[in-house]
Amino acid sequence: SQQGEEDPQALSIQEGENATMNCSYKTSINNLQWYRQNSGRGLVHLILIRSNEREKHSGRLRVTLDTSKKSSSLLITASRAADTASYFCAIAGNMLTFGGGTRLMVKP
Amino acid sequence: DAGVIQSPRHEVTEMGQEVTLRCKPISGHNSLFWYRQTMMRGLELLIYFNNNVPIDDSGMPEDRFSAKMPNASFSTLKIQPSEPRDSAVYFCASSLGTGGEKLFFGSGTQLSVL
Repeated sequence: SQQGEEDPQALSIQEGENATMNCSYKTSINNLQWYRQNSGRGLVHLILIRSNEREKHSGRLRVTLDTSKKSSSLLITASRAADTASYFCAIAGNMLTFGGGTRLMVKP
Repeated sequence: DAGVIQSPRHEVTEMGQEVTLRCKPISGHNSLFWYRQTMMRGLELLIYFNNNVPIDDSGMPEDRFSAKMPNASFSTLKIQPSEPRDSAVYFCASSLGTGGEKLFFGSGTQLSVL
């Protein structure tokens, strides 16, 4: 299975701190994507990193990809209470398959 | 753009009843996906369509589940008969291109089968 596995499953930090979430996978990929899900809502696409890219930035988000280790990380800098959500990595091979997610709580 | 539209938002039904979930993808998107989300199993891909044709339905749990896409702007997921273990949030998503592109999700249908 290409399904990604996120680590940690849950993370609690104070506002202003950085949050790092990791994703590991098992097979070759075309790209890897990160999504956010607020409670009771659908998933929202955050960032896509292709297999030939190593790092990508979008605002306070920084994503890295290490294809030799089959892993990716999502860093949220200067976190805010509004960043409280579940974050999922999604592995793109023939289709997009999602990991179990990391539940992030940012305390004000 | 209104995004992916799903209905109903919530559905409560009794075991054995037929349930139909509906989805309108983003105009111009040619791929449509149905996912199911539960605490135990996470987000599972049930089926996906490309240009209205079912491409992979290997995630459909059993014959009680069926999905159709009669045209580019409408899809249904039907469960008949429904069972309590079908209780979950069902998401529809659409994208340009095929399976590896960015997905746009609807708000989901919360299904409770009593």
